[in-house]
Amino acid sequence: DTGVSQDPRHKITKRGQNVTFRCDPISEHNRLYWYRQTLGQGPEFLTYFQNEAQLEKSRLLSDRFSAERPKGSFSTLEIQRTEQGDSAMYLCASSSRTGVTEAFFGQGTRLTVV
Amino acid sequence: GNSVTQMEGPVTLSEEAFLTINCTYTATGYPSLFWYVQYPGEGLQLLLKATKADDKGSNKGFEATYRKETTSFHLEKGSVQVSDSAVYFCALTGDYKLSFGAGTTVTVRA
Repeated sequence: DTGVSQDPRHKITKRGQNVTFRCDPISEHNRLYWYRQTLGQGPEFLTYFQNEAQLEKSRLLSDRFSAERPKGSFSTLEIQRTEQGDSAMYLCASSSRTGVTEAFFGQGTRLTVV
Repeated sequence: GNSVTQMEGPVTLSEEAFLTINCTYTATGYPSLFWYVQYPGEGLQLLLKATKADDKGSNKGFEATYRKETTSFHLEKGSVQVSDSAVYFCALTGDYKLSFGAGTTVTVRA
C-alpha cells in the first residue's frame, strides 16, 4: 500500500453538472477525511468517517455535497449541480484510530467548474 | 473553536539562510500541533509534530517547539536548501480533524 490515492487528479466540468470523486485510503486506516483547499488558503475540513459511519459534516458542506464510505473502505464525494464556487482542490486523508491523529493525505482532485 | 494563524508569505531566501515561519494557535484543551509541507506538484506531507507542551518536533533539519505559554509552534531551519522550496502549513487537532493555517510559500534561491 503506497498511500492515499485519489481519482481523478483533475476534473473540468460545466456548471450544473454532477461530479464524483473517489478516495482510497491506506488500507489499515479506519478514519477518512475530506478537505477542500482553495488558492492561497489552507485545507478546510468538510467531513469525517470512522469506518462506514459519517460522524461529522462541516457547515461548509451544502446539501449539494454528499459523501459515502460503503463498507468502511474507499469513499466517494459527489457534488450535484456544480457551481463556479465549487472550483477547488478536494483532498482526502486517512488516519488510524490509535495514537496521535496523524493524517496522511492524497494528492487531491482539482475541480474546475466552467 | 480551534484556529491557526500563520505568518504571511511569500518568503524568499538564499541558500544556507536561516528560516523562521511563525505560527500561533487558539484552541480549547490540549491540541496536538503539526507542520505539513506541500512541494510543487505534490500532496500534503507531514513534516513534524508535537503532542504536548515543551515537546520539540524535528525532521529534515526543521524544528518546532510546542509553547503553551505563548500558544505558538514556530518552524525553524538553520540552513535552507533549494529543495526546501514549498508551501508550509501549520495545523492543530484537538480531536480528530485538522485545522490549518493559510500556508506560507517559501522560495529558496541558489
